[in-house]
Amino acid sequence: DIVMTQSPFSLAVSEGEMVTINCKSSQSLLSSGNQKNYLAWYQQKPGQSPKLLIYYASTRQSGVPDRFIGSGSGTDFTLTISDVQAEDLADYYCLQHYSYPYTFGAGTKLELK
Amino acid sequence: EVQLVESGGGLVQPGRSLKLSCAASGFTFSNYYMAWVRQAPKKGLEWVATISTSGSRTYYPDSVKGRFTISRDNAKSSLYLQMNSLKSEDTATYYCARQGAAMGYWGQGVMVTVSS
Repeated sequence: DIVMTQSPFSLAVSEGEMVTINCKSSQSLLSSGNQKNYLAWYQQKPGQSPKLLIYYASTRQSGVPDRFIGSGSGTDFTLTISDVQAEDLADYYCLQHYSYPYTFGAGTKLELK
Repeated sequence: EVQLVESGGGLVQPGRSLKLSCAASGFTFSNYYMAWVRQAPKKGLEWVATISTSGSRTYYPDSVKGRFTISRDNAKSSLYLQMNSLKSEDTATYYCARQGAAMGYWGQGVMVTVSS
């Protein structure tokens, strides 16, 4: 099974700051067939379902603000949120869907400082 | 508009069974793999099962393999999760999700509590 190591566990930020969340996979998520990384990022606000932010490591889902940026390839991935807004306070998860069993990172809680 | 609506949750005793349903609308259901993902109270997300478009292929993690069965009825645009031999650690909110480039659409979730 592919293990997803996500860090940090929590992050306290002020509005307007930039934050980075990291996810490291135990195996490469890069498909040699189509050169895509099968890594997605989700945002989950309290009491809500997870919302897809980024897929294929760096493609923003329709309607997601451009302050959310996904990067990385192979085994190391980053979600960057520039100019954090109060509405961005939530839990964030990475997901590998390269191979079954699909596995999520443990999550990162973004809180207000 | 894509909509996924789960139902069938509730309180069940350990060792018993429960069947969840997910009604899909707003897209051609038969064109997509579908999945179930769960989240224990105050915990992270765990993928539970995936089914192919025709239903001929299914995938599970070891934690539920042999106890849970995912199925679908494309004529009814519905997804199911039959859960047998339930354990206390199966207590969670269960989400139905549409798989595409990733799991792009999720239902609102349904709570399953396994307790005596």
